[in-house]
Amino acid sequence: AQTVTQSQPEMSVQEAETVTLSCTYDTSENNYYLFWYKQPPSRQMILVIRQEAYKQQNATENRFSVNFQKAAKSFSLKISDSQLGDTAMYFCACLNNAGNMLTFGGGTRLMVKP
Amino acid sequence: DGGITQSPKYLFRKEGQNVTLSCEQNLNHDAMYWYRQDPGQGLRLIYYSQIVNDFQKGDIAEGYSVSREKKESFPLTVTSAQKNPTAFYLCASSTLPRDRVSYEQYFGPGTRLTVT
Repeated sequence: AQTVTQSQPEMSVQEAETVTLSCTYDTSENNYYLFWYKQPPSRQMILVIRQEAYKQQNATENRFSVNFQKAAKSFSLKISDSQLGDTAMYFCACLNNAGNMLTFGGGTRLMVKP
Repeated sequence: DGGITQSPKYLFRKEGQNVTLSCEQNLNHDAMYWYRQDPGQGLRLIYYSQIVNDFQKGDIAEGYSVSREKKESFPLTVTSAQKNPTAFYLCASSTLPRDRVSYEQYFGPGTRLTVT
């Protein structure tokens, strides 16, 4: 079984500043995948970034980057140069090796303030 | 446009009635999934299917049923046995794992079901 924990229910950041969202997970899989999804008020789930557990290099996608600490089972998301459009719920998720079980954390509500 | 469609966006039903939520994808994905989201919470897996005419229970399958007669379609029926059916329902699809690589899931826009 997999579990994903997001310990920050809500966060806020000033526009153009940097913010880091925390995520820890637990899995018995030898290989797995980690994701951050964004859910804006429209409620559409949008993939932000993905990380393969067998890759040591942290994934980056434009203003979004992760800090993947495999031994600590930690997968934080850093948003640089925050924009008003980044305001959303952010979900951390873990996918098992078979690709059929995607487990979500409880989410962090991020508010970007002008 | 390639994508996942769910209809309707809002659905209202009386308690005791079964209701079917539609999910269609034209991404040529083999795998499809149904999730439930309650207010302020993450998504929980109801059912998934990796091939036509086959599907597996997720974490919260009780009170739900699915079918997969076509690759493109994966309807979800919320039965009267589901004790708390009011929720936001999301459908997703993905490519099957290949060469030891798994792929991300793509989500539809969701259906908000209210049962009174």
